[in-house]
Amino acid sequence: AQTVTQSQPEMSVQEAETVTLSCTYDTSESNYYLFWYKQPPSRQMILVIRQEAYKQQNATENRFSVNFQKAAKSFSLKISDSQLGDTAMYFCAFMIRQYNNNDMRFGAGTRLTVKP
Amino acid sequence: DADVTQTPRNRITKTGKRIMLECSQTKGHDRMYWYRQDPGLGLRLIYYSFDVKDINKGEISDGYSVSRQAQAKFSLSLESAIPNQTALYFCATSDPQRGGEETQYFGPGTRLLVL
Repeated sequence: AQTVTQSQPEMSVQEAETVTLSCTYDTSESNYYLFWYKQPPSRQMILVIRQEAYKQQNATENRFSVNFQKAAKSFSLKISDSQLGDTAMYFCAFMIRQYNNNDMRFGAGTRLTVKP
Repeated sequence: DADVTQTPRNRITKTGKRIMLECSQTKGHDRMYWYRQDPGLGLRLIYYSFDVKDINKGEISDGYSVSRQAQAKFSLSLESAIPNQTALYFCATSDPQRGGEETQYFGPGTRLLVL
């Protein structure tokens, strides 16, 4: 079974600074997706960034980027120029890339607070 | 208007009661999902459906049932609610045919309290 571990229950960062959230996963599969979702106090789950395991290039979305280390099974999220609106729970998630398998596994989350 | 809606947004019920949570989507996606979120555990998959005739159990299906009434509607039922089903419930949709991606889009969540 696939497992996802987020080892940092809580983190904080000053506004405008950079923060990195950690995620590791365990799988014997070679073809899969990795995701970071954001859950602000409104509790809506919002996709932040997605990475396909077969792509060597790290995904980026504006201020958000990932460091995907496939051999180490590591998928960290870097937030640059942190903003107050980035305050949220962040969940790392894993899903096998298989047409009839949509069992997505989530980590326990990291609560990020951006301080003014 | 939101693409994925859930009703109700909040619900309080008593042990032993039957309760239904509803999800509707306007995204035209074939696949729909129900998750529950508990503090410290992230989200866990309850059931998912690839189309109206296809229902699959997820990681934690015991105590729950689902109904896919149409492509756009997917309901989750608790036949006899118990306090440890108190949680935040999310519906999600996806469609790998659209752009070849496999991203799930979530509704706003339903907070359920079982007394």
